[in-house]
Amino acid sequence: QKEVEQDPGPLSVPEGAIVSLNCTYSNSAFQYFMWYRQYSRKGPELLMYTYSSGNKEDGRFTAQVDKSSKYISLFIRDSQPSDSATYLCAMSEGTNAGKSTFGDGTTLTVKP
Amino acid sequence: DARVTQTPRHKVTEMGQEVTMRCQPILGHNTVFWYRQTMMQGLELLAYFRNRAPLDDSGMPKDRFSAEMPDATLATLKIQPSEPRDSAVYFCASGVWGQPQHFGDGTRLSIL
Repeated sequence: QKEVEQDPGPLSVPEGAIVSLNCTYSNSAFQYFMWYRQYSRKGPELLMYTYSSGNKEDGRFTAQVDKSSKYISLFIRDSQPSDSATYLCAMSEGTNAGKSTFGDGTTLTVKP
Repeated sequence: DARVTQTPRHKVTEMGQEVTMRCQPILGHNTVFWYRQTMMQGLELLAYFRNRAPLDDSGMPKDRFSAEMPDATLATLKIQPSEPRDSAVYFCASGVWGQPQHFGDGTRLSIL
């Protein structure tokens, strides 16, 4: 079993929908939680970065971390076709925050 | 915005040939990571450096892969001899220790 599990999708939604992307993990030492967005033929781009539990909001994006359930989420409000990409979650331990463990990514398509 | 630069962007070569991929990390970043991404395995960590010193290369096939940082502005990943199963996208990422990584756009490698 992988340390980080992520539903690969694909996920297809109409423009304007609220999107929920999720990851579960097994390593209770993870304290840093990231979401990356990867467009086709590009490298992953850092979207959100949170430490420990709680919520963080940035524009249309909200990241949630529930350490008690070992579950993290990324919500996208008012989704746009330009949000169509693969979204990867990543996590790091507190003592080695530079080294991350990545999920396999969820492919999202937002249809006009 | 500062970016991680990877060269070449594409490489096609025959089995048995030596392949060298280069990475210029973002100025001021002291950690460098090499990843391989395939559809089957997702993003796999091959090796990483902190302050140019190798910290972990356990993800790399030792008999054919080598990673070095000749100086702070250059990281290299070499494969010798290359095999068809090495075909993948290779990403370099850099960061400040304890902070999330920033990725380059990768080298798309095809071994015939």
